Amino acid sequence: GAVVSQHPSRVICKSGTSVKIECRSLDFQATTMFWYRQFPKQSLMLMATSNEGSKATYEQGVEKDKFLINHASLTLSTLTVTSAHPEDSSFYICSAKTGIYGYTFGSGTRLTVV
Amino acid sequence: AQSVTQLDSHVSVSEGTPVLLRCNYSSSYSPSLFWYVQHPNKGLQLLLKYTSAATLVKGINGFEAEFKKSETSFHLTKPSAHMSDAAEYFCVVIGGYNKLIFGAGTRLAVHP
Repeated sequence: GAVVSQHPSRVICKSGTSVKIECRSLDFQATTMFWYRQFPKQSLMLMATSNEGSKATYEQGVEKDKFLINHASLTLSTLTVTSAHPEDSSFYICSAKTGIYGYTFGSGTRLTVV
Repeated sequence: AQSVTQLDSHVSVSEGTPVLLRCNYSSSYSPSLFWYVQHPNKGLQLLLKYTSAATLVKGINGFEAEFKKSETSFHLTKPSAHMSDAAEYFCVVIGGYNKLIFGAGTRLAVHP
């Protein structure tokens, strides 16, 4: 079945630095990728939707200049957290649309900003 | 607009007893509904989905859910809980622009 590989699984960075999270579709072409963040013991919150070759669409309240999303190819989408601060610490998950009713999730990235 | 409400934030059962995780939905048209499971610090795994075919949907690991339009419900059940079922469960509906709308989640605890 469709697999989305997400890396890194865990990352610790210093406040003020940037972190890039990658999601790769291994055996299919992901024209649409969704990015979520999840705070402890909470549900997933959609941050943005990216379509290959076009600008991402951000949800209300999500800073597009802070959370840079690139979807330059059909197999790779990246989320870069710029100038990270402790409040950006969270669990980030990507999801690719694989069909009419198909969505495949990455394994998530635990970001800790110190 | 589409939405889902998970009626229990926590459910605790004994191993070998039935599991019931409740979900109600709101939708202006026939919804597409999913149940996902998430183990700690992991991504989401699809348990089952309803897409307007059979109202009783069977999923993986012995889970099933029944779509009841009259009750606007899509409850998840399993006849006999295993310790490995302990996890967070999300009821999800497809919203506009193919976005997934998540319920708040139900944490299932399974005791020996």
